[in-house]
Amino acid sequence: QVQLQESGPGLVKPSGTLSLTCAVSGGSISSSNWWSWVRQPPGKGLEWIGEIYHSGSTNYNPSLKSRVTISVDKSKNQFSLKLSSVTAADTAVYYCATSTSSGHQARFDPWGQGTLVTVSS
Amino acid sequence: SYELTQPPSVSVSPGQTASITCSGGKLGDKYACWYQQKPGQSPVLVIYQDSERPSGIPERFSGSNSGNTATLTISGTQAMDEADYYCQAWDSSTVVFGGGTRLTVL
Repeated sequence: QVQLQESGPGLVKPSGTLSLTCAVSGGSISSSNWWSWVRQPPGKGLEWIGEIYHSGSTNYNPSLKSRVTISVDKSKNQFSLKLSSVTAADTAVYYCATSTSSGHQARFDPWGQGTLVTVSS
Repeated sequence: SYELTQPPSVSVSPGQTASITCSGGKLGDKYACWYQQKPGQSPVLVIYQDSERPSGIPERFSGSNSGNTATLTISGTQAMDEADYYCQAWDSSTVVFGGGTRLTVL
C-alpha cells in the first residue's frame, strides 16, 4: 500500500516561495499513478493545486498556474511543490495525494497526513 | 470555471438514511467521487466513479449520479459517520471539489 509523507517549512514569509516535498513509500513514483497536491485553508474546503506524472507531464489549477511548479525526483521517489509570491491567502494545510489515473476517472487514494504552512512575516 | 455545489450542512438521526447532494452542470456526464474528512484528519475516499466503493468502506455508503446531481447516501447512519463530505469531479483538465457538507448525526 502506497504511503505519502509531506515535509517542508511550516512558515513562509509574504512574497516568498513555498516549497514542499512528498515522499512516496510502499510503491514507485514511476508507476502509472498521477501525483497531486491539494490544499485546505483553515476551516475551509479543499482546493486542487495540480498533478504530475513520472514522465514530467503536469496539469495545474488555472487559478494558481502562474505561481505553481510541480516536479518529480525519481531517484528519491518523491515529488515536490513550489508556490511563488505567496500571501496570507496561501496559508493552508497542504496535502499530497495520488490517483491511479488522471482525467474523468481521477480519484485520490491515499492522501498524506498534511502539513500546515503559514504565510506570515 | 466549473463549480460543484453542496449544501453546507445535513443532519440525520442515528440509524436513518443521510443523503448529501452535489450539483454541477451536466455532472451526470462526468464521474463523481466522494471523500469523508473527520476533524484533524486527511480526507478518505468513500465513493469513486459515481457508485464504486473502495475496499474497506462499509456497504452503507453508496452513490449515484444523473443529470446535474450526484448523491452520496449513507444508510443506517452511525455516530462515526459524522464528518465533512466533499464531492469531486474533473472538468477541462482540472480537478474540482465541492465546497463540502458537514454531516451531523443527532
